[in-house]
Amino acid sequence: VQLVESGGGLVQPGGSLRLSCAASGFTFNTFWMTWVRQAPGKGLEWVANIKQGGSDKYYVDSVRGRFTISRDNARNSLYLQMTSLRAEDTAVYYCARGADRIIGGFGHLDNWGQGTLVTVSS
Amino acid sequence: SYELTQSPSVSVSPGQTASITCSGDKLGGKYVHWYQQRPGQSPVLVIYQDFKRPSGLPERFSGSSSGNTATLTISGTQAMDEADYYCQAWDSSTVVFGGGTKLTVL
Repeated sequence: VQLVESGGGLVQPGGSLRLSCAASGFTFNTFWMTWVRQAPGKGLEWVANIKQGGSDKYYVDSVRGRFTISRDNARNSLYLQMTSLRAEDTAVYYCARGADRIIGGFGHLDNWGQGTLVTVSS
Repeated sequence: SYELTQSPSVSVSPGQTASITCSGDKLGGKYVHWYQQRPGQSPVLVIYQDFKRPSGLPERFSGSSSGNTATLTISGTQAMDEADYYCQAWDSSTVVFGGGTKLTVL
């Protein structure tokens, strides 16, 4: 199993960024996927979940309406479109696989990528 | 919103047993998962569904949960176990992580 995030970088407040996560080594379309972030020196914070087919999506309150999680099962890829970015969105963003076949991203996360750093600053 | 509370730090001598706790309202009725994060690295799952160990994980890692508290126990602690540990559960369509516990092996 391999998860490789990309797309991070420096963006101004109010700007947008799209993160990608390339998955390999497993049948991508049979697993929930999750984004988790970690601000510098802080703990883990769940950001969003997406079900196998992409129809069901869930978000933490602080990003709902600004971030959109999506997936392309044909490309084995997960995405996070981030808009109206704020300084408090500065973090390393990890994609992770939801291992529980029933509750998916709400269960344990058994594989994580290396993360991509998003810095929101003027 | 649901909250999980962890002590910020725990210290243990090499070879001794470390206990890291996670508390939350009626936590014993939920599945709790634990992650280890070494400095500069991504989190790694060490315990899932309260007490299950992923394949390849050393047997010195164990978990339990009852009432309002879940516990991660590391027996025969080694220097390589020094890391941050996070508990995780879910409630009302939200994934919740504890604030993390820094384990120091003195």
